[in-house]
Amino acid sequence: DAKTTQPTSMDCAEGRAANLPCNHSTISGNEYVYWYRQIHSQGPQYIIHGLKNNETNEMASLIITEDRKSSTLILPHATLRDTAVYYCIAHDPIGGSQGNLIFGKGTKLSVKP
Amino acid sequence: KAGVTQTPRYLIKTRGQQVTLSCSPISGHRSVSWYQQTPGQGLQFLFEYFSETQRNKGNFPGRFSGRQFSNSRSEMNVSTLELGDSALYLCASSLLALREDTQYFGPGTRLTVL
Repeated sequence: DAKTTQPTSMDCAEGRAANLPCNHSTISGNEYVYWYRQIHSQGPQYIIHGLKNNETNEMASLIITEDRKSSTLILPHATLRDTAVYYCIAHDPIGGSQGNLIFGKGTKLSVKP
Repeated sequence: KAGVTQTPRYLIKTRGQQVTLSCSPISGHRSVSWYQQTPGQGLQFLFEYFSETQRNKGNFPGRFSGRQFSNSRSEMNVSTLELGDSALYLCASSLLALREDTQYFGPGTRLTVL
């Protein structure tokens, strides 16, 4: 089972920031928080990942709480093309036999004009 | 740099047949993972190959198999197809060096079993 819980769906107005929460209260010390998104019927697209520090790249920002039990993915200026299912995954990159990604049901983000 | 490519993109087969799907990873990536996505079960891990060896395997029957070649390209095979095998099959590649193993996905192969 996935180690993360996310809201089933969220709406966001175009041009506004989209803040997608994720709970991972049982995350282990070696597990990073990864975010992917999947636009309908396409392959998942990597967005960002982090361990304990906040991270930012050209797509998004990732804010991880100090206790690492939850995180928030921020899309600063959402566009209609950001409409997708967003997956938050707790993953240990050197986990050996546990190295596969475990996807939950994700959050369906709908960006509305 | 070219992304992960999968062929074919769409495939229609009938029950009892077998099918082979192909995946070419990003240049330099040594690990290839396969996932199955269905509306009911979501995205589920099938197996992972690294240096031509299966490194990790999910909970799927033996009808699902795979292999990796010396150039890191990978194939997966499904024998004796069942209706429930209809799914989007996704391949992901990663560098798998030190702690860098971010997986990058291909567009998928849509398999329909009639």
